[in-house]
Amino acid sequence: GESVGLHLPTLSVQEGDNSIINCAYSNSASDYFIWYKQESGKGPQFIIDIRSNMDKRQGQRVTVLLNKTVKHLSLQIAATQPGDSAVYFCAEKGTGTASKLTFGTGTRLQVTL
Amino acid sequence: NAGVTQTPKFRILKIGQSMTLQCTQDMNHNYMYWYRQDPGMGLKLIYYSVGAGITDKGEVPNGYNVSRSTTEDFPLRLELAAPSQTSVYFCAISDYSNQPQHFGDGTRLSIL
Repeated sequence: GESVGLHLPTLSVQEGDNSIINCAYSNSASDYFIWYKQESGKGPQFIIDIRSNMDKRQGQRVTVLLNKTVKHLSLQIAATQPGDSAVYFCAEKGTGTASKLTFGTGTRLQVTL
Repeated sequence: NAGVTQTPKFRILKIGQSMTLQCTQDMNHNYMYWYRQDPGMGLKLIYYSVGAGITDKGEVPNGYNVSRSTTEDFPLRLELAAPSQTSVYFCAISDYSNQPQHFGDGTRLSIL
């Protein structure tokens, strides 16, 4: 089984510091990538997305970087706040007409005071 | 999450029982999806629909059925509940294929 998935990788960050959450994706043909935040007991919440023709995209306090050469995606959160504590998922979509997202297993972000 | 309503929020079933998980949207989006999320895992796609009258299988469709008779509703049916179907089920919507999917708050289902 996938017992390794039961132990999410955890990133602990002090309040006010910057956080970097990494994701390795599997499909070199993927053309669209999304980061989601999931708080306990809630559904995934959209944070930011990026298309394969871009390397970087910025939002409010968040930046997504895409490195297609090594199939790597990262989410940077500036000035991390306690409310940022959650599980973060990256998702990729391959080319084609149907929007079928493939999700990673997630990273838990813990913000310490 | 505004726009996507899932009912019920919690349910306990006995093995072999059947039930329907409801998903309704008020955003007039074409695409609707059903995912399951097991503890500590990412989401796996069960079924999806690109518009009323059209449905297709995702990664883990066995043991489930769907229908899409209207734009607003996309119910997920379990015919013969099995313990392996204990999970959290999320419904999502999107306007186009290359747009973010927006999720409901989920249905937590336990089968004993």
